[in-house]
Amino acid sequence: KQEVTQIPAALSVPEGENLVLNCSFTDSAIYNLQWFRQDPGKGLTSLLLIQSSQREQTSGRLNASLDKSSGRSTLYIAASQPGDSATYLCAVLNAGNNRKLIWGLGTSLAVNP
Amino acid sequence: DAGVIQSPRHEVTEMGQEVTLRCKPISGHDYLFWYRQTMMRGLELLIYFNNNVPIDDSGMPEDRFSAKMPNASFSTLKIQPSEPRDSAVYFCASSLIAGGVEQFFGPGTRLTVL
Repeated sequence: KQEVTQIPAALSVPEGENLVLNCSFTDSAIYNLQWFRQDPGKGLTSLLLIQSSQREQTSGRLNASLDKSSGRSTLYIAASQPGDSATYLCAVLNAGNNRKLIWGLGTSLAVNP
Repeated sequence: DAGVIQSPRHEVTEMGQEVTLRCKPISGHDYLFWYRQTMMRGLELLIYFNNNVPIDDSGMPEDRFSAKMPNASFSTLKIQPSEPRDSAVYFCASSLIAGGVEQFFGPGTRLTVL
């Protein structure tokens, strides 16, 4: 059974720092992996999607990497800003499965001015 | 496009009452997903539809939960009777095709059952 773990559960950093959020999954047979952002009281916004054949995806100050064989993904945020404060969730779509995303519990990020 | 629309945004009800949550997916999207989010269990997929047909409802916790999608632009999630442990945020999401592309989420309905 696929399990997704995110470390750390919470993170507080000063503005301007580069930071890394971690996601690990137990079954490497995945179709893709997605990173989402959730703001308090809001829905989820997809940030980056990495297909199983890809190693990384970049969008602005965000870079997500995928090491399928070791069951790990990282989300790198460069030059963090207070507006980056949110909860970041990782989800995997198992290969061969129907269409069920398996979610981590998220990392709550606070970027302090 | 207005995005995925959910109503109500907040619902407070008493144990035993029927609760109906509503969702309008993004026009043209073939897949619709209902999720539940709690602090302890995170996000859980309850059920999803493809072209209005339920494909996988294995995440529906009990017979008290039911979901329908009478047409491509509307879906409901019903809880009858509601219990305090049903208190959570319920999200609806839709996607154009399911695999390989992102799901677009609504703002959620925060349900409190007293």
